[in-house]
Amino acid sequence: QKEVEQNSGPLSVPEGAIASLNCTYSDRGSQSFFWYRQYSGKSPELIMSIYSNGDKEDGRFTAQLNKASQYVSLLIRDSQPSDSATYLCAVNMGEYGNKLVFGAGTILRVKS
Amino acid sequence: DADVTQTPRNRITKTGKRIMLECSQTKGHDRMYWYRQDPGLGLRLIYYSFDVKDINKGEISDGYSVSRQAQAKFSLSLESAIPNQTALYFCATSDGGTIEAFFGQGTRLTVV
Repeated sequence: QKEVEQNSGPLSVPEGAIASLNCTYSDRGSQSFFWYRQYSGKSPELIMSIYSNGDKEDGRFTAQLNKASQYVSLLIRDSQPSDSATYLCAVNMGEYGNKLVFGAGTILRVKS
Repeated sequence: DADVTQTPRNRITKTGKRIMLECSQTKGHDRMYWYRQDPGLGLRLIYYSFDVKDINKGEISDGYSVSRQAQAKFSLSLESAIPNQTALYFCATSDGGTIEAFFGQGTRLTVV
């Protein structure tokens, strides 16, 4: 089992729709969770961080965390073609939370 | 200027050669990381360091070594490059609080 798992996609949504991206992780002791966006050929860019159960909203983005289910998700409302990118889920793991482990990423395509 | 700077940005080298990738940061973060990215595999952790005297292996450290010359500098070396080390390499930094990671622009390395 991979430490952080994501569906590779591609996930295709029409412009204006809600895109839902999901991630599961193996370390029940993890405390910090992140979503990064990566455009082709570019470096990952942090878009959301979440540390406690529930929802966290920032503009069109909402991160959701359920530690009991070891599940974290990212919702993108009113999806735009400029949101087309690879979305990487990252989780802090290890004895002291000292390893930042990434999933393989989900490709999102927003069609206009 | 970028907060996390990697040099070189692109490099082609021959099998068996030693090569060093350099990373410097102006964010004042204590933690630094080296990742490699291959298509479909996401970001995989090579080495990480929490301060000048602390070096830790990641999941794919074989064939690589690192040096933390100062809080702001973290270098990755390939002692004898092989073709399957062809990849996109990223340096990242984070502080010890939020653990949010910030990435350099990446180094595209090709071993022929």
